[in-house]
Amino acid sequence: AQKVTQAQTEISVVEKEDVTLDCVYETRDTTYYLFWYKQPPSGELVFLIRRNSFDEQNEISGRYSWNFQKSTSSFNFTITASQVVDSAVYFCALSEWSNTGKLIFGQGTTLQVKP
Amino acid sequence: EAQVTQNPRYLITVTGKKLTVTCSQNMNHEYMSWYRQDPGLGLRQIYYSMNVEVTDKGDVPEGYKVSRKEKRNFPLILESPSPNQTSLYFCASSLSRSSYGYTFGSGTRLTVV
Repeated sequence: AQKVTQAQTEISVVEKEDVTLDCVYETRDTTYYLFWYKQPPSGELVFLIRRNSFDEQNEISGRYSWNFQKSTSSFNFTITASQVVDSAVYFCALSEWSNTGKLIFGQGTTLQVKP
Repeated sequence: EAQVTQNPRYLITVTGKKLTVTCSQNMNHEYMSWYRQDPGLGLRQIYYSMNVEVTDKGDVPEGYKVSRKEKRNFPLILESPSPNQTSLYFCASSLSRSSYGYTFGSGTRLTVV
């Protein structure tokens, strides 16, 4: 069965600290896609990254980086030198090629960055 | 600007009064879907559409209807809203299912009293 687990419900850090948000997924498909979304206090869902199951290359975008490891079924997200504007709920999600296109979301991690 | 537009952003209504939440995308996306977000239950898919005139149920379709008469529009219809449909609703679109990023609308916060 497909599932996404974000074990960290809430994380609080002080500005400029690095923080890693964990994401573990379960799927029987060999072709699947992983996503991270940010939901700021205003409520919208902002797309951050998509990774397909055949591409285990890590990715860096500014202060954001993602570590995809198929061996451990994990797709972790690191924010370097966190800022107050990073405060939000972050969702990891899975979509399986054999499925209907449905996004299976984790429960989300609330990140609070204090000044 | 490429976007998914949902309206209204906020809505308070009474039980049983039919309502429609509109969703429109300007990216020529084939795939569209609706999600609801509830505390403790997370984000769940209500309905999806692979293409024009092709729609199907997601995980929580009860009490909802959709239609896809044009590629750009995918309205969500609540024929007889009930308080348990109070939720935050999101419309999403993608070039095709699964393999591309999904763009979400800004959300509709619905309260049924």
